[in-house]
Amino acid sequence: EVQLVESGGGLVQPGGSLRLSCAASGFTFSSYRMSWVRQAPGKGLEWVANIKEDGSEKYYVDSVKGRFTISRDNAKNSLYLQMNSLRAEDTAVYYCARVAWIQIWFYDYWGQGTLVTVSS
Amino acid sequence: DIQLTQSPSFLSASVGDRVTITCRASQDISSYLAWYQQKPGKAPKLLIYAASTLQSGVPSRFSGSGSGTEFTLTISTLQPEDFATYYCQQLNNYPITFGQGTRLEIK
Repeated sequence: EVQLVESGGGLVQPGGSLRLSCAASGFTFSSYRMSWVRQAPGKGLEWVANIKEDGSEKYYVDSVKGRFTISRDNAKNSLYLQMNSLRAEDTAVYYCARVAWIQIWFYDYWGQGTLVTVSS
Repeated sequence: DIQLTQSPSFLSASVGDRVTITCRASQDISSYLAWYQQKPGKAPKLLIYAASTLQSGVPSRFSGSGSGTEFTLTISTLQPEDFATYYCQQLNNYPITFGQGTRLEIK
């Protein structure tokens, strides 16, 4: 059974840092692209970042470029999101998702999410 | 960036109704579109990918159609468990974008 379990969320002050983790199991982690998607309270879904299977390519939404870094450790079946210079507008539930390919890319499995609150 | 506009943003319907949600893209995205269902406090769930392919395990009352810039998600006969928020997503270009969501509520 595919499982994605996020951790690392919490309360952080503006300008602070946080590292999110996503532990994957039930599939060959190194064979899939992975993604982070966030959802601010009461708002819609926003794509944050993607990473290729081997970590060689990374993509970010403009609002987090230069502040967030997506990475992975295929030996540990883990995905990460290092978040620096956090702002109030980064407050959201952060989901990791598996990116699958059949004709097109799509997100077939999601974690339960971890809440990040940026506030003084 | 490709913008996705869903309509309506809010929909009130009854069990047994047929409902259709539209997603319009600001430029041609071929069939690079997926639909997700999200219930309060839960992660999104994939319903449809490649605009019209039903994800395994999703009931056949859900269907998707369209290509290019206009897409639809149809629920043929609403069931109580279908009341949720629905999002379209384009994966044709970075940045990947989602529609603003359609909240489907019980009338």
